[in-house]
Amino acid sequence: GAVVSQHPSWVICKSGTSVKIECRSLDFQATTMFWYRQFPKQSLMLMATSNEGSKATYEQGVEKDKFLINHASLTLSTLTVTSAHPEDSSFYICSASKQHTEAFFGQGTRLTVV
Amino acid sequence: AQTVTQSQPEMSVQEAETVTLSCTYDTSESDYYLFWYKQPPSRQMILVIRQEAYKQQNATENRFSVNFQKAAKSFSLKISDSQLGDAAMYFCAYYSSGGSNYKLTFGKGTLLTVNP
Repeated sequence: GAVVSQHPSWVICKSGTSVKIECRSLDFQATTMFWYRQFPKQSLMLMATSNEGSKATYEQGVEKDKFLINHASLTLSTLTVTSAHPEDSSFYICSASKQHTEAFFGQGTRLTVV
Repeated sequence: AQTVTQSQPEMSVQEAETVTLSCTYDTSESDYYLFWYKQPPSRQMILVIRQEAYKQQNATENRFSVNFQKAAKSFSLKISDSQLGDAAMYFCAYYSSGGSNYKLTFGKGTLLTVNP
């Protein structure tokens, strides 16, 4: 099967600090990874699409400088929430594309900014 | 831009009965993929079924099947012999493979309740 591991599963941080979330495809190479944000009882909102070795493509309204995405290898993408504020508290999910025909998801990260 | 519409915020079904969840999408592309994902309370996204747009045959996975109507841009999910474990949020998703602009877009979801 295709396994995507997202870490950490939950994190609490102080306002003004930065938090890094990792997304790894464990048994396949993912040329494209997607980052989503999900509010309670709502759908997944696409934040950005990242391709290995190139800059991420952000969706309209998503602050590039606040949500830094790095796709350094075919198995790892990271999302860094910089200068986090309480309004950034949310559930963040990554997804890795396998040959652009399927997408598999990490377990998600619950971020709480206090 | 591609959009995915799920018109049923909530659905309920009796255990062992059949239920159909609706999904429509809007696109100008001819080559794409469609998915149904299940999200239980754990919030882990689980792939239920996938459909390639170039295939006319409807995909089937055990108790799950789809009715794919490409011209109508409709992609409904049928769950047969519903089980308590099927209760979850179901999301329809569109995977765009147009050029190099890959994007996986979701509908708003349908909350399925299974009554014993």
